Amino acid sequence: EAQVTQNPRYLITVTGKKLTVTCSQNMNHEYMSWYRQDPGLGLRQIYYSMNVEVTDKGDVPEGYKVSRKEKRNFPLILESPSPNQTSLYFCASSLRGGDNNEQFFGPGTRLTVL
Amino acid sequence: AQSVAQPEDQVNVAEGNPLTVKCTYSVSGNPYLFWYVQYPNRGLQFLLKYITGDNLVKGSYGFEAEFNKSQTSFHLKKPSALVSDSALYFCAVRDNTGGFKTIFGAGTRLFVKA
Repeated sequence: EAQVTQNPRYLITVTGKKLTVTCSQNMNHEYMSWYRQDPGLGLRQIYYSMNVEVTDKGDVPEGYKVSRKEKRNFPLILESPSPNQTSLYFCASSLRGGDNNEQFFGPGTRLTVL
Repeated sequence: AQSVAQPEDQVNVAEGNPLTVKCTYSVSGNPYLFWYVQYPNRGLQFLLKYITGDNLVKGSYGFEAEFNKSQTSFHLKKPSALVSDSALYFCAVRDNTGGFKTIFGAGTRLFVKA
């Protein structure tokens, strides 16, 4: 089954404790992206990647890191989480271009930073 | 800079009536426009997109959207609403210059009453 998976689905942590949220897709998509969803703000793009070793900032990159060492994986790293990073996080992937460029989303990771 | 506006936080409609969820955008050049739907406790699902061509785009579950370049709008429509259409709807605009930068609207919650 074609899908985007994220782990963990739920995470409660404390300020300053480094964490990683994993994202993996099995569709051989070139593009991958991380978003956070907050009430009233919709989804805001954190980082995106257009291919292996190619990443770029979205609208809200502060406090986050990403890496793209393999095509299928795109982990999101919070090196020193803070309470304002409490949010619902989504990973998404997409083909590069042409007509098939809609995004496929993972199920989401709900993060609480105390 | 790209931007997307969904002027209504909530839309209420009776089952069987037509529905419209509004979206306006601001982007330099020709836009890639998308509608996604989010059901409770789920990730986002793609509904439809406008890349080029016909201004009326048909998508999943009987939804359609009309691209209006002069009004910079991309309103989502359905001729006859179902209770099961109740969900959170997001309009999005994507970089059309070969990148993957994507801006989402804040979302519109649709309530369809039986």
